[in-house]
Amino acid sequence: DVKVTQSSRYLVKRTGEKVFLECVQDMDHENMFWYRQDPGLGLRLIYFSYDVKMKEKGDIPEGYSVSREKKERFSLILESASTSQTSMYLCASSLGTASSYNSPLHFGNGTRLTVT
Amino acid sequence: GDSVTQMEGPVTLSEEAFLTINCTYTATGYPSLFWYVQYPGEGLQLLLKATKADDKGSNKGFEATYRKETTSFHLEKGSVQVSDSAVYFCALSSYRDDKIIFGKGTRLHILP
Repeated sequence: DVKVTQSSRYLVKRTGEKVFLECVQDMDHENMFWYRQDPGLGLRLIYFSYDVKMKEKGDIPEGYSVSREKKERFSLILESASTSQTSMYLCASSLGTASSYNSPLHFGNGTRLTVT
Repeated sequence: GDSVTQMEGPVTLSEEAFLTINCTYTATGYPSLFWYVQYPGEGLQLLLKATKADDKGSNKGFEATYRKETTSFHLEKGSVQVSDSAVYFCALSSYRDDKIIFGKGTRLHILP
């Protein structure tokens, strides 16, 4: 089974701090994604990556950046955390691109980030 | 753009009741359709999928049929259990945008 591991289940940070959320997958998947999940808004795509050192903006990239130095690891960075970034963050990976029906997304268990 | 609309929750049912969660979509071309489930404290996991019109996806007693004429992919289960309590997300693969598009999720509570 594919395993997507997010390094922290809960994080509490202060406004203005730089925050790193780490995600590792163990199935040699090409594609990795970062979503945030908020009540009433569902899942919104922040950034994704189809290859090492490659990144693409999703629907809500403002205030975030990402890093993919190795195939298995995809990091989400909040350069200067704000209270509006309090949310559940979900990492996912897939074998093929989104348009490939054989490539469902495999999710980690999420990181609940609180910015005070 | 492509989009997914699913019924708002929460939906509360008694154990052994029949479940329907409605999902409709708007898309260019012929997307694949998915239902994901999120159990408490966990990430999402794929529940079932359908890749073309009239396909029926099924898993764990849940079913959904890809209806092109009504652009729908409703989730059904004949007899729900307390363990089915979760949030359910309908999703499509957008060929135009090359990404998965999710609905907002429907929270399901099953009472014993």
